[in-house]
Amino acid sequence: EPEVTQTPSHQVTQMGQEVILRCVPISNHLYFYWYRQILGQKVEFLVSFYNNEISEKSEIFDDQFSVERPDGSNFTLKIRSTKLEDSAMYFCASRRGSYNEQFFGPGTRLTVL
Amino acid sequence: AQTVTQSQPEMSVQEAETVTLSCTYDTSESDYYLFWYKQPPSRQMILVIRQEAYKQQNATENRFSVNFQKAAKSFSLKISDSQLGDAAMYFCAYRSGKTSGSRLTFGEGTQLTVNP
Repeated sequence: EPEVTQTPSHQVTQMGQEVILRCVPISNHLYFYWYRQILGQKVEFLVSFYNNEISEKSEIFDDQFSVERPDGSNFTLKIRSTKLEDSAMYFCASRRGSYNEQFFGPGTRLTVL
Repeated sequence: AQTVTQSQPEMSVQEAETVTLSCTYDTSESDYYLFWYKQPPSRQMILVIRQEAYKQQNATENRFSVNFQKAAKSFSLKISDSQLGDAAMYFCAYRSGKTSGSRLTFGEGTQLTVNP
């Protein structure tokens, strides 16, 4: 069964460093998402991406964040200058069409020291 | 803005028994979708069940069923014949039916413990 994959599973970085989190959505899906979950808290929406552009973003998704679909398969989230409060689990999700549910990847645990 | 509330931070159930997890939501929209996701200790988000707001019939997936009360804006999850593998955090989520409004809004989660 097709699934969303994410790499790395765990990333440790120093405050102020740039990180890129990678996702490979399910191949025939058209909508792509990033969510984050700070430990012990609810899952929060960051950004959605469709037709090679951002379709929606939350207030969390500020200028430090960017997304890209550099080729036909990968979908990346970049954090330019990480802060301690960026430590969280980051989930990628994808969806085929307007009426379909989102499928989540296993997540990347980001730890900012 | 839509909000989702899960008022039970923790629930427990005996193996083979039935448990119901509560969820309420607030929206002014008439077209939307509701979901229950399961998050085991691995923290993977797994879709359990979905409900379209325009459908009056409650969704069912094997041992999982929902009680969707649109007027009351309530969407509870019933797990029958609970198994040890059902132990997880359960999140209720809302999605607008508008094409542009495709983000999921999650509740705070309910941690379910299954006792042998």
